[in-house]
Amino acid sequence: EDKVVQSPLSLVVHEGDTVTLNCSYEVTNFRSLLWYKQEKKAPTFLFMLTSSGIEKKSGRLSSILDKKELSSILNITATQTGDSAIYLCAVHYYTGANSKLTFGKGITLSVRP
Amino acid sequence: DAGVTQSPTHLIKTRGQQVTLRCSPISGHKSVSWYQQVLGQGPQFIFQYYEKEERGRGNFPDRFSARQFPNYSSELNVNALLLGDSALYLCASSLLTGSVNEQYFGPGTRLTVT
Repeated sequence: EDKVVQSPLSLVVHEGDTVTLNCSYEVTNFRSLLWYKQEKKAPTFLFMLTSSGIEKKSGRLSSILDKKELSSILNITATQTGDSAIYLCAVHYYTGANSKLTFGKGITLSVRP
Repeated sequence: DAGVTQSPTHLIKTRGQQVTLRCSPISGHKSVSWYQQVLGQGPQFIFQYYEKEERGRGNFPDRFSARQFPNYSSELNVNALLLGDSALYLCASSLLTGSVNEQYFGPGTRLTVT
């Protein structure tokens, strides 16, 4: 079953728009939730969230975790064409003595000029 | 400093063949993880190695195996290739086994099975 679900799967916006990307998860022994941006090949790290309600911010991007709702959102304000990418959400959780990082399918964002 | 490097960049194999993919972590990083990313999907965890020991394994068949060498580089082997093994194979390195937020991904190896 899908442990990490992202929505929408894709969206197209115009430069200057604000977008909200959603991620919900269902795991036991949650440790953290991470957001990545994937443009061509290697995903690049954006945020790691461990505590509920504390917003992480980096420039025009921000993210927050809701552990009660088992979800997170990634906001991008004043979008630019360079924001066009796949945005991946991943959940880090314990599995016995080890831990795993499980990704969602990703959200494809296209920003039109 | 060099980032995570992977080789080869691309390769094409035939069904039934075997393939070996290589990964060199960032200098000083002792943990290497492998992921498979099929087109339209997020990366799926295959293996994690730390200090040459397997520390995690995803839901992949025994055709998939890996190892880590004393210099912390790693190889992923896939036997009896199937068409469904066509994917981007990503390697990620981190200093410690649990430091996923400091996990740096390599550019990947694009495997096509025909």
